[in-house]
Amino acid sequence: SQTIHQWPATLVQPVGSPLSLECTVEGTSNPNLYWYRQAAGRGLQLLFYSVGIGQISSEVPQNLSASRPQDRQFILSSKKLLLSDSGFYLCAWSGQGGEQYFGPGTRLTVT
Amino acid sequence: AQSVTQLDSQVPVFEEAPVELRCNYSSSVSVYLFWYVQYPNQGLQLLLKYLSGSTLVKGINGFEAEFNKSQTSFHLRKPSVHISDTAEYFCAKNGNEKLTFGTGTRLTIIP
Repeated sequence: SQTIHQWPATLVQPVGSPLSLECTVEGTSNPNLYWYRQAAGRGLQLLFYSVGIGQISSEVPQNLSASRPQDRQFILSSKKLLLSDSGFYLCAWSGQGGEQYFGPGTRLTVT
Repeated sequence: AQSVTQLDSQVPVFEEAPVELRCNYSSSVSVYLFWYVQYPNQGLQLLLKYLSGSTLVKGINGFEAEFNKSQTSFHLRKPSVHISDTAEYFCAKNGNEKLTFGTGTRLTIIP
């Protein structure tokens, strides 16, 4: 069966520090991968998605970037965090019907 | 543009009462629709999906949804709710390798 992992689960970082969040998927090949952000009490915002290694589509201009160095690995990064980067970050992969399966999320607090 | 509308941001319901969470979507040639549930500080979990076939779709935790093409709706229902159903519920539609999510409905169960 397929599983998706995200780490860390929680993170507190000062403004201006770098960020690296990692997501890995097991049990499937060549999945589409997605990064979302969920601000407190708000809906989901799609940040990036990838249909293959090295292929990244950005949905909104922002302080973040994404990379896919391996088929089942998706990384979200920032060189300098802003207060507005705080939120709940979710990684997901998509199945054959287009449904997406989500990881447990990373709670990022920028102080 | 793809859109999914969840008109009710909050729905309070007494325990063991029935509930309906409303979802309307923008019409398109092929429609794949999904309902997700999110418990506090967790990722989204797929409740059910409509890809084709029967318009009544049954999901986990006793939930079901009905695809209505003429009304472009995909409402989620449960005949009797429990305290454990307290969560945020998101409706989503597939298109162009991505999902478009509604803004979510917070279901609160009153003991």
